[in-house]
Amino acid sequence: GAVVSQHPSWVICKSGTSVKIECRSLDFQATTMFWYRQFPKQSLMLMATSNEGSKATYEQGVEKDKFLINHASLTLSTLTVTSAHPEDSSFYICSALSGGAFNEQFFGPGTRLTVL
Amino acid sequence: AQSVTQPDIHITVSEGASLELRCNYSYGATPYLFWYVQSPGQGLQLLLKYFSGDTLVQGIKGFEAEFKRSQSSFNLRKPSVHWSDAAEYFCAVGAIYGNKLVFGAGTILRVKS
Repeated sequence: GAVVSQHPSWVICKSGTSVKIECRSLDFQATTMFWYRQFPKQSLMLMATSNEGSKATYEQGVEKDKFLINHASLTLSTLTVTSAHPEDSSFYICSALSGGAFNEQFFGPGTRLTVL
Repeated sequence: AQSVTQPDIHITVSEGASLELRCNYSYGATPYLFWYVQSPGQGLQLLLKYFSGDTLVQGIKGFEAEFKRSQSSFNLRKPSVHWSDAAEYFCAVGAIYGNKLVFGAGTILRVKS
């Protein structure tokens, strides 16, 4: 089946630094990927839609300059949290569309970000 | 706007007992409905989905769900719960266009032996 990986699986960083999270579709090409954020004991909130070769579309309330998304190839999207602060600590999950009549989303295992 | 309501935050069932997790949605057109399961610290695994056709959908791990348009519901069921089913379950609704998913708040399932 379709597999999506994320790297790293967890990261701890100091406040003010930037962190890059990679999302890869391992056995299929994904023109569209999604980035979600999940706070403890809460649901997933869509942050942005990442389209290969074009700018990402951000959901209302998500800071574009803080959460930089790059979808440089059909198998890789990256999320960079710039100048991270403790309030950015969260579980970040990506998903990739598999294609077809209704593109099913396959989810990555998530990245736990802790900002000290 | 799309929305999903999962009324039960926590549910505890005995191993071997039946399970029903509730999901109600709000969507202006024909919804595409999903149930996902998430184990602690993990990503989401698709249990089943409904696009059209038979309103009773079979999924993996012995789960099924029934789409009831008149009640705007898509409840998840399992006849006999196993301890390994303990996890958090999310219902989600998607549009035909855009492919965005809106998730419910989730239901945490605890299984007691």
